[in-house]
Amino acid sequence: AQSVTQLGSHVSVSEGALVLLRCNYSSSVPPYLFWYVQYPNQGLQLLLKYTTGATLVKGINGFEAEFKKSETSFHLTKPSAHMSDAAEYFCAVTLYSGGGADGLTFGKGTHLIIQP
Amino acid sequence: IAGITQAPTSQILAAGRRMTLRCTQDMRHNAMYWYRQDLGLGLRLIHYSNTAGTTGKGEVPDGYSVSRANTDDFPLTLASAVPSQTSVYFCASSEQGGTEAFFGQGTRLTVV
Repeated sequence: AQSVTQLGSHVSVSEGALVLLRCNYSSSVPPYLFWYVQYPNQGLQLLLKYTTGATLVKGINGFEAEFKKSETSFHLTKPSAHMSDAAEYFCAVTLYSGGGADGLTFGKGTHLIIQP
Repeated sequence: IAGITQAPTSQILAAGRRMTLRCTQDMRHNAMYWYRQDLGLGLRLIHYSNTAGTTGKGEVPDGYSVSRANTDDFPLTLASAVPSQTSVYFCASSEQGGTEAFFGQGTRLTVV
């Protein structure tokens, strides 16, 4: 079974500052990892994903994340925060099983607050 | 526009009543999912379906049932609603299990 831990239910940064949202996972086999963003009263939108290959992945809106197997982490970063980045962010993990669908396992989310 | 359509967008339901949340996708994805989102708990999987004709239980299946008669539709039924089922419900789909999921806009359900 897999699980996801997001450190910090709320993170506050100043506009223009570095954004760092932490995600650690547990998995018995190499996982697929995802970051999703949710704006108020909307569904979830995929920011980026790691499946195989390059461990540093780039996503939309200037976000990127690095898969570190030794640390079982997949932290999300953005060099310079914008007011429009204020949202809820979810880290998720799944185990690719060649067609078996047990869905994504989500962390509890981190609410990103951008201070002007 | 391709994607997932959920209906209704919101509903207030009396306890004990039966309710079906509708979900339709037009991406011809094999896998579909129902999640519920609760404050502080993130998203939890209720039921899933690998392909038409098959379904499976997720983390929190009690009180819910699903069916997958065809590729496009994946309705979620609450046979007898209880207040603890007050939540925001999201339907999602993916090409196959293990790939990224695409989400609908959600159904906000209040059971009173």
